[in-house]
Amino acid sequence: EAQVTQNPRYLITVTGKKLTVTCSQNMNHEYMSWYRQDPGLGLRQIYYSMNVEVTDKGDVPEGYKVSRKEKRNFPLILESPSPNQTSLYFCASKVQLGEGLMGEQFFGPGTRLTVL
Amino acid sequence: AQTVTQSQPEMSVQEAETVTLSCTYDTSESNYYLFWYKQPPSRQMILVIRQEAYKQQNATENRFSVNFQKAAKSFSLKISDSQLGDTAMYFCAFRGGATNKLIFGTGTLLAVQP
Repeated sequence: EAQVTQNPRYLITVTGKKLTVTCSQNMNHEYMSWYRQDPGLGLRQIYYSMNVEVTDKGDVPEGYKVSRKEKRNFPLILESPSPNQTSLYFCASKVQLGEGLMGEQFFGPGTRLTVL
Repeated sequence: AQTVTQSQPEMSVQEAETVTLSCTYDTSESNYYLFWYKQPPSRQMILVIRQEAYKQQNATENRFSVNFQKAAKSFSLKISDSQLGDTAMYFCAFRGGATNKLIFGTGTLLAVQP
């Protein structure tokens, strides 16, 4: 089954304790992205990756890191989490089509993170 | 910069009735894509319907249809014969023609009443 998986689905942690949220897709997609969802703000892009070893900042990258060592995996790293990073996080992937072609973005199930 | 606006934070509709969710966007691009996503209580993001800007015909998917007004930069979602399972947060999203990034609106929480 084609899917994007995220782990963990729920996480409660404390300020300053490094954590990693994993994301994996089995569709051989080139493009992967992380979003955070906050009430009243919708989803906002944190980081994205066009392919292996190619990553770039989205709209809200502060406090986050990513890596793309393998095509299928795109972990989100919070080196020193703070309470303002309490949010719902989504990983998404998409095949990299030529310009002008639509393509669908597939979302993971979400990770609910609480930073105390 | 592109923006997406959903001006209805919450809406309610009776089962079997029709409801329309509004979305406006701002862009200077001529080629782009528009989407409506559904997020039920499970939090999963589910693609409901999509529209390519260069297509004049409005997209339809079963009970879901859009009213795409390119000149007005409006992209509303109509849900016909509303069902209890339609209760969810609905997000409108924009993607430029040369990018993979989705820009989301703030969402409309739809409650379908029995």
